[in-house]
Amino acid sequence: DSGVTQTPKHLITATGQRVTLRCSPRSGDLSVYWYQQSLDQGLQFLIQYYNGEERAKGNILERFSAQQFPDLHSELNLSSLELGDSALYFCASRHGGTGELFFGEGSRLTVL
Amino acid sequence: AQKVTQAQTEISVVEKEDVTLDCVYETRDTTYYLFWYKQPPSGELVFLIRRNSFDEQNEISGRYSWNFQKSTSSFNFTITASQVVDSAVYFCALSDATGGFKTIFGAGTRLFVKA
Repeated sequence: DSGVTQTPKHLITATGQRVTLRCSPRSGDLSVYWYQQSLDQGLQFLIQYYNGEERAKGNILERFSAQQFPDLHSELNLSSLELGDSALYFCASRHGGTGELFFGEGSRLTVL
Repeated sequence: AQKVTQAQTEISVVEKEDVTLDCVYETRDTTYYLFWYKQPPSGELVFLIRRNSFDEQNEISGRYSWNFQKSTSSFNFTITASQVVDSAVYFCALSDATGGFKTIFGAGTRLFVKA
C-alpha cells in the first residue's frame, strides 16, 4: 500500500461526457502528479501541483483540467470525452526530501 | 528539454539469465534525479531506486544493480539470475531537482522471464 488513494478504480462512460478522478496523497506529501497510461503505452505526464499551486504542466489536453484543494487532495476533470481518452490515470505524491513518487492504484477510464 | 529513452521495447529471457535494461536521458540541468520503477502485471507502480546526479556510485540491492554513467547519460539496470516474478514493465524516469521536481518517464521496457 503506497498510501496514495485514487477513486474511482474503474469508470465506464460515453463519448462527450465529463468525469472527475480524485486523488488523496500520502500523509505529509504536498505534491500531487497526474499521469496518463494508454494501453501498452508509457506514462505521459499531465500536470503537477504543490501545496495547491500548479507547478508543471505536461501534455495535458485543454479538455482536461485539475486542481489541488487546501486539504491537498486533487481532482482531475476530463470533459468532452473521446474514445482515445480511454486509459489508466495514475496519481502520485512525491516524497518531499528525496523526490521519488508513490503511486496510487490508478483509475481505469473506459470511454464507449 | 528533458527526455528519457528506453530503446528496448520488450526483452524475453529464460529464468536464471542476467538481463540489462538500458536507459538514456537528456537534460540541461546539472542537478537532477534518476529513478527506476517497476509495473508488474497487476498494474501498480513500484519505486525501485533513486540516484542523484552527483552520485555516480553503482548500487547493488540483492539481484538488482544499477550503473549510472554521466559521461554517456545512461542509467542502466541489471537483474542477475532473473526469476519469473521479475516479469514486468520497467520504467526509467528523470526529475529536475530544483523548483518543481517535474518527473518524466521513458516508454518502458517489458521484460518476460520464462521458466
